[in-house]
Parts: sequence; structure tokens; C-alpha cells
Amino acid sequence: GAGVSQSPSNKVTEKGKDVELRCDPISGHTALYWYRQSLGQGLEFLIYFQGNSAPDKSGLPSDRFSAERTGGSVSTLTIQRTQQEDSAVYLCASSHPQTGGTEAFFGQGTRLTVV
Amino acid sequence: ILNVEQSPQSLHVQEGDSTNFTCSFPSSNFYALHWYRWETAKSPEALFVMTLNGDEKKKGRISATLNTKEGYSYLYIKGSQPEDSATYLCAFIGYDSTLTFGKGTMLLVSP
Repeated sequence: GAGVSQSPSNKVTEKGKDVELRCDPISGHTALYWYRQSLGQGLEFLIYFQGNSAPDKSGLPSDRFSAERTGGSVSTLTIQRTQQEDSAVYLCASSHPQTGGTEAFFGQGTRLTVV
Repeated sequence: ILNVEQSPQSLHVQEGDSTNFTCSFPSSNFYALHWYRWETAKSPEALFVMTLNGDEKKKGRISATLNTKEGYSYLYIKGSQPEDSATYLCAFIGYDSTLTFGKGTMLLVSP
């Protein structure tokens, strides 16, 4: 596709279940970012990938959160044993930092609700 | 993680008011600064890409300035309208090409 695609767009899950969120970046974009925004809060950085490696995982809130990226393309963010505080909009963005100054393109986000 | 700060965190103004927000960032290793607008239920979209000290960009009623020496950028909205309600994000790009976003300023414009 032409843009960044995230799935699912909405996910309601029961507390304690695992969830997997997917991001399909723009083809050729080497950098991929995951963020989340909880209700009433600011944008929170989670993890950054350059190719398949994650030079910065500092934003992952706990060891229940993990992310991987394969083939320098699709990324999945996995949350194990979900808690209510995990409820948020999870945003993925990609960019092509070859020349710098290149804007980030965002997906529509996944709205996660943990009940 | 670099320190990119946005203030205020949220802002509520009346239609017709003019307003501005601040993005502060490290003054070293600067390559570019981006502003994005994130409307509810949509993806954030780029408003401005700024690279030079003293840059001033304008799009309709929205404008932005850049001071790379002191590490700040201002976003101005003249005569706010309800459709300007959104979260405004700034992103710092360093020479290593990584983007670091601020937490955003949530603007609500009441009719």
C-alpha cells in the first residue's frame, strides 16, 4: 500500500490476555517507530527500529511489552498479560532517514481497550 | 532518548483567539525540526519541515519559527477555529537521522 498500515484498528481484550499489534510501514522505509497515547496523556515513545534491529528500546514500559521487525518491513508489538493501564492508541510511524529531514508517516493507529 | 519538550501540555481557547505553543530541543546535533498535526481518529500529518536557523514557515493561519542556536520552535495559530482542535507534535531530527517526538500540545478550540 501507499501508506503505513496498522492492524487491527480496534481491539478489545480481557485483562490478562496477550495481544499482538501489527505495523506495515511504507515500502523501503528503514526506520520504524512505535508510540502510544493513553487517554488524556501525551505521546509516549515505545521503541525504534532501524532495519531489523532496535537500537532504542528504552520506552517499553515493562517486560510484558516486546516488539520485533522482520525483513526490514513488518513489525509486531506484543503485549503479554494485558493490564487496564495498557489501554491506549498505539501508533506506528516509518521514515526513510537517508537524507535527514524526512518526515515520518503514521498509520491510523490501533485503539486497544483492556477490560 | 533526547529531551524534546512541548508546552503547554494542553490548551483550551475560544474561537477567534490567537495562540502559540513551544517546542524546545537540544541545540547540538540539530538537523531538522518537524511539526505535525494529529486530529482525533486520524493519523498525524506533517505541517512543517524546518531546517535553518531563523526559518519561518506559514500555512494559512498557522505559522512556525525556528531558533536552532537556543533550541526552540514556536507554532502560532492566528484566529483559532474549532477545526484547529488537535494535538500538535514536534519532532527533532539529529544528524543520526533519528526522530525524537515531544509529547505534544493538545489544543481545544471552543466555538
